[in-house]
Amino acid sequence: GAVVSQHPSWVICKSGTSVKIECRSLDFQATTMFWYRQFPKQSLMLMATSNEGSKATYEQGVEKDKFLINHASLTLSTLTVTSAHPEDSSFYICSARDPVVNTGELFFGEGSRLTVL
Amino acid sequence: QKEVEQNSGPLSVPEGAIASLNCTYSDRVSQSFFWYRQYSGKSPELIMSIYSNGDKEDGRFTAQLNKASQYVSLLIRDSQPSDSATYLCAVTPYNFNKFYFGSGTKLNVKP
Repeated sequence: GAVVSQHPSWVICKSGTSVKIECRSLDFQATTMFWYRQFPKQSLMLMATSNEGSKATYEQGVEKDKFLINHASLTLSTLTVTSAHPEDSSFYICSARDPVVNTGELFFGEGSRLTVL
Repeated sequence: QKEVEQNSGPLSVPEGAIASLNCTYSDRVSQSFFWYRQYSGKSPELIMSIYSNGDKEDGRFTAQLNKASQYVSLLIRDSQPSDSATYLCAVTPYNFNKFYFGSGTKLNVKP
C-alpha cells in the first residue's frame, strides 16, 4: 500500500511556542491530505482537509489561526500548532489516499505525539 | 446523531474464538467502508475494505456489509492475542472527500 511518513514522531515543547509537523506521501502524489487529532482512549477527530495549492478546509470548532496548515507540494503538508498550550497536547495524525488507485483507502502517517509543558 | 456508531467495548474473547465487531452508519450515501486496527499509541492501519453488499474474506478476516440496514461488521476467526487492539470503522461517500470514523471497539483476546 501507499506510504505516508510523518515527522516528528514525538515532540515536547514549552507553552507559548510553535510546533511544526510534516506529513509526506512517499510513493504517490496527494492533492488532499487529512489531519486528525486523537485524545487518549478517544477516536480520531478530523481537524482539517489540506488541499495542495489552496487553503485548507477546517472542521467546525477548529481554530484556523491556531492550527496552520500548508500544502505547498503534492507530497508535503504541514501542520503548525501556534502558541501551543497544555490543552493542545495530543496525538496528531495525518493521512492521505492515492488518487491514482482511487479505491478510497486512507493511509496514515505514524502520528506525532505533542506534549506541551 | 453520530455518523458512525460502534460499541466501545471492551470485547473480550478467548484465543481461538471468533470476534465479531459491529458498526452502524447514518448517511445513506456512504459508498465505501473500511476497518482499521489501531494499537495503543500507534496510528491506524487498514485491515479490510468493502464496497458492495455481502461478505468479503481476507485470511482470518471477513467484512460484511448490508447497505439496506446501514450495517457493516468485521469477523476475526481464530483470534490471537496479537489481535488485541482498537478496531475503527470508517465510512466515506463516493468521492472520498470525507472519512467518518467510529469511536472504535477495543478487543481483548485472552490467551
